[in-house]
Order: sequence, then structure tokens, then C-alpha cells
Amino acid sequence: LQLQESGPGLVKPSETLSVTCTVSGDSISNDNYYWDWIRQPPGKGLEWIGSIYYSGKTYYNPSLKSRVTISIDTSKNQFSLKLSSVTAADTGLYYCAGQYYDSWSGLFGWNDPWGQGTLVTVSS
Amino acid sequence: EIVMTQSPATLSLSPGERATLSCRASQSVNANFAWYQQKLGQAPRLLIYGSSTRATGVPARFSGIGSGTEFTLTITSLQSEDFAVYYCQQYNTWPITFGQGTKLEIK
Repeated sequence: LQLQESGPGLVKPSETLSVTCTVSGDSISNDNYYWDWIRQPPGKGLEWIGSIYYSGKTYYNPSLKSRVTISIDTSKNQFSLKLSSVTAADTGLYYCAGQYYDSWSGLFGWNDPWGQGTLVTVSS
Repeated sequence: EIVMTQSPATLSLSPGERATLSCRASQSVNANFAWYQQKLGQAPRLLIYGSSTRATGVPARFSGIGSGTEFTLTITSLQSEDFAVYYCQQYNTWPITFGQGTKLEIK
């Protein structure tokens, strides 16, 4: 299972950031995974943005919820992140990752694997 | 939101020494806890999940212990490739949260 992010690299302030993650080596409809977005500002730590299941069920970080939309396209084995009204504080590496999910118990788990990350810079 | 606090922020040790990294949760996360290693310019790599289970391919010198609010990652006999930043994570309660990281540097 491998994940690969793709995105524009540069986004203007107040616009919408869009990045996509392509999953290979397994179906994105595998019921043992949620699919996550996690970001990392330059030189700083990790922040979980949100998760999506193949059914479309989502969970979002409350700190970003008003600006975040995560969607999934099972036909393309891809999921995507949109973050609106961006500012310089949204600059950083955006990672996609699989999150283990036990569909029997409904328990959520750890993130593995991770994509290599895509750098998004917010600047005019 | 559950706050994860790692200590120390920086740990300076020599190859061959033993490293002990700590992480404290602001409320119980049971054993729904993981450790990640991040080297410069790379994505984080899963080391430990379920508080104490090593991920596939992780050397036996890495071990994790803890439950509830206190967790420890121990690296016995540090190798040169172990010097990196380590993050803890709780996945017990939404939102998922990470610690701020411990930088393990060569003394």
C-alpha cells in the first residue's frame, strides 16, 4: 500500500488549497482503513486535519472544521482535501496517511502508511 | 481535545547509550497510543502502536510501555540512524492529537 500526494505548491491568501492523495497497492474501499490528512508547518509538529471512510463518513479537527472539506473518489482510488480562506499560517507539508480501522469493533487506530508529503506555500 | 506533552524537548546522547522518551496525555487514552519517528526531509514512520506493539520492520531495540496517561519509548543502544524527532499520538478520542516532538540528537 502506497500513498502519493499531489497539489499546486503555491496558493494565494484567501483562496482555497486543494490537494489530492492517490492510493496504490490496495483498494481505497478497503474497510480496514480510514484515510487521513495531516499537516506540518515548517519546523513544527504534526496536526491532524481530518479523516474519511470509503462510505464518505468524515471526521474533522474542530479547529479547522469550518474551512475543511475532505472527499473521496473510489473510482479513481483517490481522496482529496480542500481548505478554504487560507493564510500564511496554512503553509506547510501536507501528508496523506492511512488510518487503521477495525470495522468489527468500530475502533480507530494508528497512521500507517504515510505519503511523502506535498509542500503548500500560501503567498501572494 | 486531549493534549499530549512530550519530554524532554531535546535529548542529547551518544551512540550506544540508552534513550528514554516520555509522553503524557491530559486524560486517559487507554492503550490507544502510537510513537512515530521522523528524519529530516522524510515523512513520519510508525514505530509503535497499541502503546507497546512494534510495527513491521522496527528493530527490537525500540520498546514502548504505558497505559492511561503516561507512556515511555525506550531505545536501547542507540544507533546512528536513530537520531531523529519522535512524536507521540493518541487515537482514543477525536480529534486525534500529537505531541510536540522530542528531538534526539547526537551528543
